[in-house]
Amino acid sequence: KAGVTQTPRYLIKTRGQQVTLSCSPISGHRSVSWYQQTPGQGLQFLFEYFSETQRNKGNFPGRFSGRQFSNSRSEMNVSTLELGDSALYLCASSSRADQETQYFGPGTRLLVL
Amino acid sequence: QKEVEQDPGPLSVPEGAIVSLNCTYSNSAFQYFMWYRQYSRKGPELLMYTYSSGNKEDGRFTAQVDKSSKYISLFIRDSQPSDSATYLCAMKIWEYGNKLVFGAGTILRVKS
Repeated sequence: KAGVTQTPRYLIKTRGQQVTLSCSPISGHRSVSWYQQTPGQGLQFLFEYFSETQRNKGNFPGRFSGRQFSNSRSEMNVSTLELGDSALYLCASSSRADQETQYFGPGTRLLVL
Repeated sequence: QKEVEQDPGPLSVPEGAIVSLNCTYSNSAFQYFMWYRQYSRKGPELLMYTYSSGNKEDGRFTAQVDKSSKYISLFIRDSQPSDSATYLCAMKIWEYGNKLVFGAGTILRVKS
């Protein structure tokens, strides 16, 4: 089985721009979660989608949004980028039947200048 | 105070040593406990998953949970240079689905 894939792997943007990141979960997985990883704050939960519905949301401003499509692929969008948004953005997928195991993708490294 | 505390290290040990990694947590509602390993420039990889208090063993890895003390541990026996990575503890509450709360991660270096 192919693992979780994320595109793009690296991205450079400037302050004020917006960015869209994509995540394709493992085939058959319907839950997709997004995390932000920074040296200062570590890994922090952004949101989880299941069957195209947001199931949980972390403590991030409204500039961070996401969606999930009918094929379970997910996108997250960050508008009005700030320098502090520079981070590794990780996506994780899990099947409904095996919620205990989340499989992470390699992440998208975003640099905001 | 963070919900999950983990010493960031780095922890440096010789090859073959037993490694002990620990996390403490403050929220008694946490029910599920995980350990992830993350190599540089990679996503986290699940190593161990536990629910109840006690020990769970998988090869060279043993996960220990003490809910009364709000303390979890990961032991690595016969450590190898390939074990050099960042180890992250994570935990969750069933009602919150797949929302994981992570510790800061401990950098482990195993010297040959």
